[in-house]
Amino acid sequence: QVQLQESGPGLVKPSGTLSLTCAVSGASFSSNTFWSWVRQAPERGLEWVGEISDSGSTKYNPSLRSRVTISLDKSKSQFFLNIRSVTAADTAMYYCARHLSCAQGDWGPGTFVTVSS
Amino acid sequence: QSALTQPASVSGSLGQSITISCIGTSSDIGSYHCVSWYQQHPGKAPKLLIYDFVHRPSGIPDRFSGSRSGNTAFLTISGLQPDDEADYYCNSFKTTNSYVFGTGTKVIVL
Repeated sequence: QVQLQESGPGLVKPSGTLSLTCAVSGASFSSNTFWSWVRQAPERGLEWVGEISDSGSTKYNPSLRSRVTISLDKSKSQFFLNIRSVTAADTAMYYCARHLSCAQGDWGPGTFVTVSS
Repeated sequence: QSALTQPASVSGSLGQSITISCIGTSSDIGSYHCVSWYQQHPGKAPKLLIYDFVHRPSGIPDRFSGSRSGNTAFLTISGLQPDDEADYYCNSFKTTNSYVFGTGTKVIVL
């Protein structure tokens, strides 16, 4: 059974870079699968951040595209999220997920990131 | 990008059926089969209920069903149970080559 686990700093300073890792176990990175990042600000709804395919092609939320990079390391069964020039508006719970068809099928438990000085 | 529109809350009694709507446009729900529904309990990660409009992942009971009419998707929960009280979100692929979630609906079990 696939398991995903997010990790990274829980506190990032304004104007800094938010960097998160999603560690994947029980699933292959060579099965034509897509991997997403989704976030949820406190008391708010879900927001899709972006996705990466096993081949490394990416799609991003148009409202975040200029600041976001998603990458992967197949050898480590990990994929990554970087958001540059963060502000308080980037404070949120961040989830990584594996796709089932074009849906986010399996989710990690999430990691909360606060942007504050 | 604008979120898909869902009702803020829907309520129903134990054992009843409820339907949650998700209003989109011809640029998302109306153009793609990539519509999914998620359930989220407080403090928990979302859980996939429906994908590709109508399909249920393994382990999801058939009390949950999805459908579409034009630019609107629907999630129906039959035989409402106490554990169905949660937030529900729809999601669709868009012509901007991205995904968008709905505004979310709180289901209240009376």
